[in-house]
Amino acid sequence: ETGVTQTPRHLVMGMTNKKSLKCEQHLGHNAMYWYKQSAKKPLELMFVYNFKEQTENNSVPSRFSPECPNSSHLFLHLHTLQPEDSALYLCASSQDRDNQPQHFGDGTRLSIL
Amino acid sequence: AQTVTQSQPEMSVQEAETVTLSCTYDTSESDYYLFWYKQPPSRQMILVIRQEAYKQQNATENRFSVNFQKAAKSFSLKISDSQLGDAAMYFCAYRRGSLGRDDKIIFGKGTRLHILP
Repeated sequence: ETGVTQTPRHLVMGMTNKKSLKCEQHLGHNAMYWYKQSAKKPLELMFVYNFKEQTENNSVPSRFSPECPNSSHLFLHLHTLQPEDSALYLCASSQDRDNQPQHFGDGTRLSIL
Repeated sequence: AQTVTQSQPEMSVQEAETVTLSCTYDTSESDYYLFWYKQPPSRQMILVIRQEAYKQQNATENRFSVNFQKAAKSFSLKISDSQLGDAAMYFCAYRRGSLGRDDKIIFGKGTRLHILP
């Protein structure tokens, strides 16, 4: 049990669908992150939120839209995705953004048809 | 269930010296991958080194090498000739070898490495 919960575990969607990934932590952490793990590629940082404010966006296409309504919840809204977006999406949290140890969720396996 | 344990939350090493970060894991699988990731303050996860479980030879990448002891389920990272740029959080990670619906990555809690000038 890592303390970071991601839902759904698996998601299959068409390119025209709209779906959302959810991440939840009750560790009292203030920073939350989205990562993308593609086949045969290392982890890619997508977004960073600190105290609900987005502090980093690593050139992520606009078809990925993050939302952080509070420090415990983080969403990734998906719209008009491409086949190359199929990947494992990992959420993580840390006490703050200053390189504290991160707790990772189990990830959402996303497949784009 | 698979687990990854990094027992050293923080370590320090003098510049130009050698340091070893420890990692142990638990799995009943025979086919899997092990990784060391480096996370500098930018928070990007940089893959340092990767080891396939079926390979007996220890992986090396320039100044980074691993000591992979499959029977002991140990996967330590050795950094030789430490440089200031090596200062970061280091994560040990495990992944099943056969890609499928449950190919999640399991991370250790990390070891923060300080390089002393």
